[in-house]
This record gives sequence, C-alpha cells and structure tokens, in this order.
Amino acid sequence: DAKTTQPTSMDCAEGRAANLPCNHSTISGNEYVYWYRQIHSQGPQYIIHGLKNNETNEMASLIITEDRKSSTLILPHATLRDTAVYYCIVRGNTGGFKTIFGAGTRLFVKA
Amino acid sequence: DTGVSQDPRHKITKRGQNVTFRCDPISEHNRLYWYRQTLGQGPEFLTYFQNEAQLEKSRLLSDRFSAERPKGSFSTLEIQRTEQGDSAMYLCASSLVPNEKLFFGSGTQLSVL
Repeated sequence: DAKTTQPTSMDCAEGRAANLPCNHSTISGNEYVYWYRQIHSQGPQYIIHGLKNNETNEMASLIITEDRKSSTLILPHATLRDTAVYYCIVRGNTGGFKTIFGAGTRLFVKA
Repeated sequence: DTGVSQDPRHKITKRGQNVTFRCDPISEHNRLYWYRQTLGQGPEFLTYFQNEAQLEKSRLLSDRFSAERPKGSFSTLEIQRTEQGDSAMYLCASSLVPNEKLFFGSGTQLSVL
C-alpha cells in the first residue's frame, strides 16, 4: 500500500469549513483513498472513500486531484464534535487486504 | 445492525498473566481484523481473518499472541505471559467483502502492571 503524508495538527473555527490535506504521491492506479476519523476513546469511524472522482456524502466531501497524488477532505461546517484525529489511507482492493493507518491529522475545532 | 462489540472494555492485569479479549463483529461480515493502538499513534495492524481462516499476521505479532475465529463469527485474541509493553488499546474491526469499509468496535484497553 502507498504511504500518505498528513499535517500533524490543524485548527478550525466552529461553523467554518475544515479542509484536511493528504499527499499520496506514490499511489498506483488501482488504489483508493479512504478517510477515517477517531474521536477520543472510540474506535476509528469510516468517513468516505474514492478512486479518482470527487465524492460527497452526509459527513464530508473528498476532492482528489487529477493526477491523484493528493486529496483533501472537506467538512463543510465543522462543529465541536468534529474534533478528532483524521486518517488518510491509500489501499488497493486486490492482493493484501490490511488497512494501514499512519499518525493522522489532529483537528481541533474551536468555538 | 448492532455494530462491532468488544469485551471487556478495560482489563488490568499483572505482568506474566494471560489475558483474552473477545470481539463480536457485525453479523453478516466475513472479514475480521485486530489492531493495537498506543497513545498518540494510529492503529497498528495485527492480524485478519476471512471467515474462520487467519490469512495474515503482522511480523510484529510475537508468539505470545494468538487469535482465533473458530466458526467464522466471534473472535478471541489471547496474550500469554503479558509484558508491560503490551499495554495498549486493542481494536477489532469487521467488513463485508468486497466492501473494504472497516467498522470498528470501541476497543479493549489493556494495562499491564
């Protein structure tokens, strides 16, 4: 699985959009970008995933660059409950099936 | 859908004792994963099952660790002769092939004294 690079931490004002970047320059053609988040004392929670098209669901939007070497997770109106560690993961759907987590980005949403 | 459940939520043990954790995945899910997480780090992959078959184990998983999923439903993770370095959160997750979304339990927090 390709490796990802994320900032260690970010701040966001409540009600504003939170834009979390992720670099995955070694991604290969059959690998997807997944995002999970982990709120303190809970297990990680799936947010969204995509291959090359932008994706949106009730939680967030995922913007993947055309060359697929980076992506951005967007929380359109961050709330205090969105304070968490956000993990960007790249994985294929063939071969090895383990999902490898890095250290993630710690997002602080401030009132 | 009752989610992934793990038992116990907390375990305190003395060094050298054996401990066993249980994970009940979402009922129709055929893949089950174990991860370990220490403070400030992301979850670290330990092993995974597809149905009852254990398909991969991390090289980080010492011989003191063993996992089973006897009937392809619940799973147990046993740690023998615990060491202080085993203190961590042990997370279980499940998924349904071919969907690779993982659903995690709340974890078992192990403290080895």
